Amino acid sequence: NAGVTQTPKFQVLKTGQSMTLQCAQDMNHEYMSWYRQDPGMGLRLIHYSVGAGITDQGEVPNGYNVSRSTTEDFPLRLLSAAPSQTSVYFCASREGYGYTFGSGTRLTVV
Amino acid sequence: DQQVKQNSPSLSVQEGRISILNCDYTNSMFDYFLWYKKYPAEGPTFLISISSIKDKNEDGRFTVFLNKSAKHLSLHIVPSQPGDSAVYFCAASHSNSGYALNFGKGTSLLVTP
Repeated sequence: NAGVTQTPKFQVLKTGQSMTLQCAQDMNHEYMSWYRQDPGMGLRLIHYSVGAGITDQGEVPNGYNVSRSTTEDFPLRLLSAAPSQTSVYFCASREGYGYTFGSGTRLTVV
Repeated sequence: DQQVKQNSPSLSVQEGRISILNCDYTNSMFDYFLWYKKYPAEGPTFLISISSIKDKNEDGRFTVFLNKSAKHLSLHIVPSQPGDSAVYFCAASHSNSGYALNFGKGTSLLVTP
């Protein structure tokens, strides 16, 4: 039981490049979400999904795209990376009230 | 606007003493509150939670107190241990938003031997 797995752990992008952050969970949780953490800030919700085929925006969705084709996977796409998207990204899945977080992807956009 | 506030960015406590971490919130719709602990280069891990229908929840060395009228909660760690040194995030949620978590900015706790 791996929990929530995020790949890659580190990534450097050039401004304007696109990429996908991967998130997979093996707990059969319906609810999955993406957060970003910036220095001196708490985690802020980007997008979330309540099940396969259903996604919605969180607090800071601009510049990001998501889809949910399976229960297990919830990838986050950066369409055209900007320096403001330099952050640590956490994926989480939830059953009931309890959230399980991945170990994060540290993204730097130069 | 920050709905969950942790006004102390850092706290230093001696080993064996009590650590008290505070959290305030503004949204009266919040009905579930959680504390997460985070070590560097790791994801947050769940520590303890409390429902709005309770005013106290205890789990070993960790106790969370909720004062709904003051919109305030606190996390008590007794006794504090060096391994407790981490960043602690307060989070709140409510059923109307699908229990999405609203986080505070975190308090960095340092427990010194």
